[in-house]
Amino acid sequence: TAGITQAPTSQILAAGRSMTLRCTQDMRHNAMYWYRQDLGLGLRLIHYSNTAGTTGKGEVPDGYSVSRANTDDFPLTLASAVPSQTSVYFCASSEGQGSTDTQYFGPGTRLTVL
Amino acid sequence: GQNIDQPTEMTATEGAIVQINCTYQTSGFNGLFWYQQHAGEAPTFLSYNVLDGLEEKGRFSSFLSRSKGYSYLLLKELQMKDSASYLCAVKDSNYQLIWGAGTKLIIKP
Repeated sequence: TAGITQAPTSQILAAGRSMTLRCTQDMRHNAMYWYRQDLGLGLRLIHYSNTAGTTGKGEVPDGYSVSRANTDDFPLTLASAVPSQTSVYFCASSEGQGSTDTQYFGPGTRLTVL
Repeated sequence: GQNIDQPTEMTATEGAIVQINCTYQTSGFNGLFWYQQHAGEAPTFLSYNVLDGLEEKGRFSSFLSRSKGYSYLLLKELQMKDSASYLCAVKDSNYQLIWGAGTKLIIKP
């Protein structure tokens, strides 16, 4: 199985432009997550969704929005990109959100905002 | 605030044993996870501890002491392919993962 796919692999974006990072999973997992990873920092949660139709804010949600129209897809949108959003973005999913539920990660999108 | 501490970098020799420590202070505890991340790749799951003690999985073992807010990952018979970053993460009272910055492990021949 493919697991989790993300697109694009990398992107250079002009400041002020909008962009949607795509994430699709084929494991029928209920919960999905968006993280950003910056040098010297741990993964930081941007938004999450515990089940289709619901979303929640993580630690660093400002400047980002998400939707969860169905189980498989969880796109992340930057409405007006700023240089501080330059980062590697990882999408993850887990069967549920309980203590034993393990998160599995997509390959990541490397975004540079100039 | 919530905090996960790990050493930034460690160096070890091929064939040896290395222990990577992780200390945490979180609002609630619902399990501790270790992930491996090779440069330029996604994190991949290694181990999970929720009760005190040692969990062994082949060459990798993970230990947890909840009273001390402490865990370690033990890697035995190190191989060059073990060169990677190792991420410690704790599930807090909201069942969200709080992540350490990771420990970069360099293996020398």
